[in-house]
Amino acid sequence: KQEVTQIPAALSVPEGENLVLNCSFTDSAIYNLQWFRQDPGKGLTSLLLIQSSQREQTSGRLNASLDKSSGRSTLYIAASQPGDSATYLCAVRSYNTDKLIFGTGTRLQVFP
Amino acid sequence: NAGVTQTPKFQVLKTGQSMTLQCAQDMNHNSMYWYRQDPGMGLRLIYYSASEGTTDKGEVPNGYNVSRLNKREFSLRLESAAPSQTSVYFCASSFDGVWRSEQYFGPGTRLTVT
Repeated sequence: KQEVTQIPAALSVPEGENLVLNCSFTDSAIYNLQWFRQDPGKGLTSLLLIQSSQREQTSGRLNASLDKSSGRSTLYIAASQPGDSATYLCAVRSYNTDKLIFGTGTRLQVFP
Repeated sequence: NAGVTQTPKFQVLKTGQSMTLQCAQDMNHNSMYWYRQDPGMGLRLIYYSASEGTTDKGEVPNGYNVSRLNKREFSLRLESAAPSQTSVYFCASSFDGVWRSEQYFGPGTRLTVT
């Protein structure tokens, strides 16, 4: 059964820092991996989708990498800003179930 | 560009009451999903519809029913609400052609069952 883990559960950093959020998964047979952002009381906003054949995707200050063989993905946020404060979720879509399996998220706070 | 819309935004029910959560997408997506989000449990799939006319159970289907009314709309029904169904409910959709594609989420429905 696919399991997705995100460490740390919470992170607090000063504005301007570059930071890395981690996501690990137990079954490497995946279609893709998706990173989301969720603001308090709101829905999920898709940030990046990495297909299994890709190694990374970039959007603005965000860069996501995928290492299927080791079951890991990282989300790199450059020059963090207070507006980046939110919970970041990763989810993998397994071959086995063809469903998205979510991690429980990393709650990020960027303080001025 | 509305994306995925959900109604209502908030709802309070008494145990045993019924209600239907509505979801619609305007992106011509084939697949639609209902999730629930609970503290410490993450998002869990309730039901999904891979295409118009088909529905299948997800991880936590008990106590729910769904209808894929047409390509745009996918509703979730609670026949007899229970306190354990207090949660935030999200609808999502994806195109899912040859490649499995991004899922896009609605703003959620916050349901309290007393």
